[in-house]
Amino acid sequence: GDSVTQMEGPVTLSEEAFLTINCTYTATGYPSLFWYVQYPGEGLQLLLKATKADDKGSNKGFEATYRKETTSFHLEKGSVQVSDSAVYFCALSDRDTNAGKSTFGDGTTLTVKP
Amino acid sequence: NAGVMQNPRHLVRRRGQEARLRCSPMKGHSHVYWYRQLPEEGLKFMVYLQKENIIDESGMPKERFSAEFPKEGPSILRIQQVVRGDSAAYFCASSQGNSNQPQHFGDGTRLSIL
Repeated sequence: GDSVTQMEGPVTLSEEAFLTINCTYTATGYPSLFWYVQYPGEGLQLLLKATKADDKGSNKGFEATYRKETTSFHLEKGSVQVSDSAVYFCALSDRDTNAGKSTFGDGTTLTVKP
Repeated sequence: NAGVMQNPRHLVRRRGQEARLRCSPMKGHSHVYWYRQLPEEGLKFMVYLQKENIIDESGMPKERFSAEFPKEGPSILRIQQVVRGDSAAYFCASSQGNSNQPQHFGDGTRLSIL
């Protein structure tokens, strides 16, 4: 079945540091890939997405590129801010299985210190 | 606010009571998903519903838990005879059912069992 494996946390960085959160997946079909962010006390919000190989999703300075050859969708940001402290979830939705259902990684907690 | 609405935000029950969690999907969405999140853990899929139908309930405990999404009104997640281990945050998400589109999440219901 489908699965998503995320880099284990927690991750602690200083402000303006470079961020990478690794995400790899297995899927029976050709999935769409997503990164969601969850702030304390809130639900998940879509951060960015990519729907086909080599697509780059980007938003708020975050980027991730859909790499079919390595089945990866790593999240990067060049310079993190304290306000980026949150839990980040990688997810996929596989159109060849159950199109509406998503599979989520376990989440990576990021703390950015001033 | 046309987003996913969950209520109540916080629910306290004593062991043995029933808990009912409600979710109104985003306007135009007919697919609803329920997830459970324990402290410091990731999202665990519970059930996927489309109007009046259960599409996938592979994550639902076999006993005490049920979900519905009637033709009219919100989706309901029902937990009978609650136990301490049911304490968690329960999130609802909705989508149009297309794998290219993200899920939209509510802010969750925090269930506490005394």
